[in-house]
Amino acid sequence: DAGVIQSPRHEVTEMGQEVTLRCKPISGHNSLFWYRQTMMRGLELLIYFNNNVPIDDSGMPEDRFSAKMPNASFSTLKIQPSEPRDSAVYFCASSFEGNYGYTFGSGTRLTVV
Amino acid sequence: GENVEQHPSTLSVQEGDSAVIKCTYSDSASNYFPWYKQELGKRPQLIIDIRSNVGEKKDQRIAVTLNKTAKHFSLHITETQPEDSAVYFCAALDTGNQFYFGTGTSLTVIP
Repeated sequence: DAGVIQSPRHEVTEMGQEVTLRCKPISGHNSLFWYRQTMMRGLELLIYFNNNVPIDDSGMPEDRFSAKMPNASFSTLKIQPSEPRDSAVYFCASSFEGNYGYTFGSGTRLTVV
Repeated sequence: GENVEQHPSTLSVQEGDSAVIKCTYSDSASNYFPWYKQELGKRPQLIIDIRSNVGEKKDQRIAVTLNKTAKHFSLHITETQPEDSAVYFCAALDTGNQFYFGTGTSLTVIP
């Protein structure tokens, strides 16, 4: 199993541009989580899907952020328009029924200049 | 909702000494408590976990203890080695199947 796959690994973009981060969960997992990690705030849960349905998006910082999970094997996190304060490492994680096999992806390091 | 607090934020120990990191949680219904190790530039990785029906669990040099009454759990690393240097995160799983993470402890093992 290749684990949770995220792309791209690094993204540098200019302020105002749209950014799309991608995640492929582990096959068979039915829960998917998007996190943002910064030095100041640590690991923050942005949104949580269960069986492709968003369960809790209260962590999404503002309307510029949106996430989708069109099927069990793919999710996207989109930021439009991006701002320098969005610079962070974004992790995707997946599991089965909440906590079984909970695994993080390698993360996407986003830099907005 | 759940609130997890983690202390200390930084910890330096001499190689061979023990390291202890402590976390408290607020939701008494939380029932699963994993610990993650994150090396610089890498993903958090599960190193040990404990469920609420157990008071202690050990895996070689790493152990976790859980006090449900006091709502705190701790990570213990014995005979520390330089490769133990990393950021360690505790987490609690609430009844809604969501993880709440502590703010991390940066552990430095001095050779």
